[in-house]
Amino acid sequence: KQEVTQIPAALSVPEGENLVLNCSFTDSAIYNLQWFRQDPGKGLTSLLLIQSSQREQTSGRLNASLDKSSGRSTLYIAASQPGDSATYLCAVSRPDSSYKLIFGSGTRLLVRP
Amino acid sequence: DAEITQSPRHKITETGRQVTLACHQTWNHNNMFWYRQDLGHGLRLIHYSYGVQDTNKGEVSDGYSVSRSNTEDLPLTLESAASSQTSVYFCASSAGRDQPQHFGDGTRLSIL
Repeated sequence: KQEVTQIPAALSVPEGENLVLNCSFTDSAIYNLQWFRQDPGKGLTSLLLIQSSQREQTSGRLNASLDKSSGRSTLYIAASQPGDSATYLCAVSRPDSSYKLIFGSGTRLLVRP
Repeated sequence: DAEITQSPRHKITETGRQVTLACHQTWNHNNMFWYRQDLGHGLRLIHYSYGVQDTNKGEVSDGYSVSRSNTEDLPLTLESAASSQTSVYFCASSAGRDQPQHFGDGTRLSIL
């Protein structure tokens, strides 16, 4: 059974720092991996989607990498800002024909001014 | 702009009552999903639909049902609400497997 783990559960950094969020999954047979952001009281916003054949995706200050063989993905945030404070979740989809996502529990990020 | 809207945003009800949560999307996506989010469990899939008249059970479907009569709407019904169903419920939609899922802002449901 696929399990997705995100460590640490919470992270506090000063503004301007570059940081890395980690996501690991137990079964390397995935279709794709997504990173989401969730603000308090809000739904999830998709940040990056990496197909299983890709190694990384970039959007602005965000870069996500994928190493399927080791069951790991990282989300790199450059020059962090207080507005980046949120919970970040990763999710993997299965290689069968379904669209189901399996989520990690998230990393709660606080960027201090 | 296209969006996905959930209603109500907050609801309090009693055990044993039937409850329906609404989800409406203007993305024109065929694929729609219902999740619940609980501390310690993360997001778990309840039901999903790949198109009109199609519905499928997810990981935690017991006590829930959905129906899909058009592209835009996927209402979630709790047949007989139980306290264990107190949670935050999210609806999502996507254009396909290679596309991201778009989420609504959620419904916070409390069952007393």
